[in-house]
Amino acid sequence: DIQMTQSPSSLSASVGDRVTITCRASQSISSYLNWYQQKPGKAPKLLIYAASTLQSGVPSGFSGSGSGTDFTLTISSLQPEDFVTYYCQQSYTTPYTFGQGTKLEIK
Amino acid sequence: EVQLVESGGALVQPGGSLRLSCAASGFSFSTSSMNWVRQTPGKGLEWVSYIGSGGRTIHYADSVKGRFIISRDNAKNSLYLQMNSLRDEDTAIYYCASARGSNWDWGQGTLVTVSS
Repeated sequence: DIQMTQSPSSLSASVGDRVTITCRASQSISSYLNWYQQKPGKAPKLLIYAASTLQSGVPSGFSGSGSGTDFTLTISSLQPEDFVTYYCQQSYTTPYTFGQGTKLEIK
Repeated sequence: EVQLVESGGALVQPGGSLRLSCAASGFSFSTSSMNWVRQTPGKGLEWVSYIGSGGRTIHYADSVKGRFIISRDNAKNSLYLQMNSLRDEDTAIYYCASARGSNWDWGQGTLVTVSS
């Protein structure tokens, strides 16, 4: 199975900050990497697919990059509604696997 | 607009069975592969099962292999998960998710609780 290691597991930041979350795959997954945002009590919402493609309707402040084994999600200027949990997922091969999540907290 | 609506979640005793359903609309269900993903309350996400658009290609997580059966009815735009021999550790919110290439859409989830 492909292991997805996401870091950090939690991050304290302020409104307006630029933050980066990292996801590393245990083997190459090409660009088959998705990023999700999950608010409490809600389903995960797709932000970025194919490593760098912004899902329709997602604010342009979110961006993704990487290929192979190393990927990043960047939020250019944190808004109050962004302080929730983020997950990466590889869709290269089953079993599809997820990172353990990054919880963004207000400093 | 893509809509995925899960149903069938309930409280069930260990060893029992349950069938989840997912009603799809707003996209070409018959040409989309589908998945079930679960999330333990307060914990992370675990992929459970995959079914190809035609229903012939199927994969399961090791944790559910031999106990869960995924199926679909393209005429009814519906996805199913038959869960047998349920265990305490199967307690989770179960989401159905459509996969059109790398673009995944998720339903709102249905809660399955396995407890005596």
